[in-house]
Amino acid sequence: NAGVTQTPKFRVLKTGQSMTLLCAQDMNHEYMYWYRQDPGMGLRLIHYSVGEGTTAKGEVPDGYNVSRLKKQNFLLGLESAAPSQTSVYFCASGTSGGSFDTQYFGPGTRLTVL
Amino acid sequence: SQKIEQNSEALNIQEGKTATLTCNYTNYSPAYLQWYRQDPGRGPVFLLLIRENEKEKRKERLKVTFDTTLKQSLFHITASQPADSATYLCALDIIRNTGFQKLVFGTGTRLLVSP
Repeated sequence: NAGVTQTPKFRVLKTGQSMTLLCAQDMNHEYMYWYRQDPGMGLRLIHYSVGEGTTAKGEVPDGYNVSRLKKQNFLLGLESAAPSQTSVYFCASGTSGGSFDTQYFGPGTRLTVL
Repeated sequence: SQKIEQNSEALNIQEGKTATLTCNYTNYSPAYLQWYRQDPGRGPVFLLLIRENEKEKRKERLKVTFDTTLKQSLFHITASQPADSATYLCALDIIRNTGFQKLVFGTGTRLLVSP
């Protein structure tokens, strides 16, 4: 049981390049989330999904797109990377059935945009 | 505006002492509050959840209190150990009465326990 995994762990992009971050969970969780974490700021929600085939915007969605074609995977895409998107990105998943559930986080992806 | 505040300065304590971390919030009415631990280079790990109708929750050496009047939660680690050194995040839910969890996180407080 690997929990939540993220690919890649590190990436350096040039401004304008695109990339996709992959998140996978093997806990059969309905809910999945993408956050970014920047120094001096809390984790901020980018996009989330309440089930396979659904996505919704979080607090800071601009410049990102997501897809949840399979229940276990949640992809985060950057179509045209900008230096402001330099950050550490965390994926998380949560169980269904109540608002008192916890979130399980992946190890993070450190992205640098030059 | 809505705000969650945790002490941005690191908390340095000696092994064996009790560490107390604070989470204050404004303009929220969370149904519950959570505490997470984050080690350098890793994702947050859930520690404890406390509901709005609970005053105190314990788990081994950890204790959390929740005062909805003061809009404050305190997180205590008793008999602290160097292995407790990490950043501790508080998180509030911002959607009540739904089956979906949407959390807002504080910036975290770094705890350093010296031998």
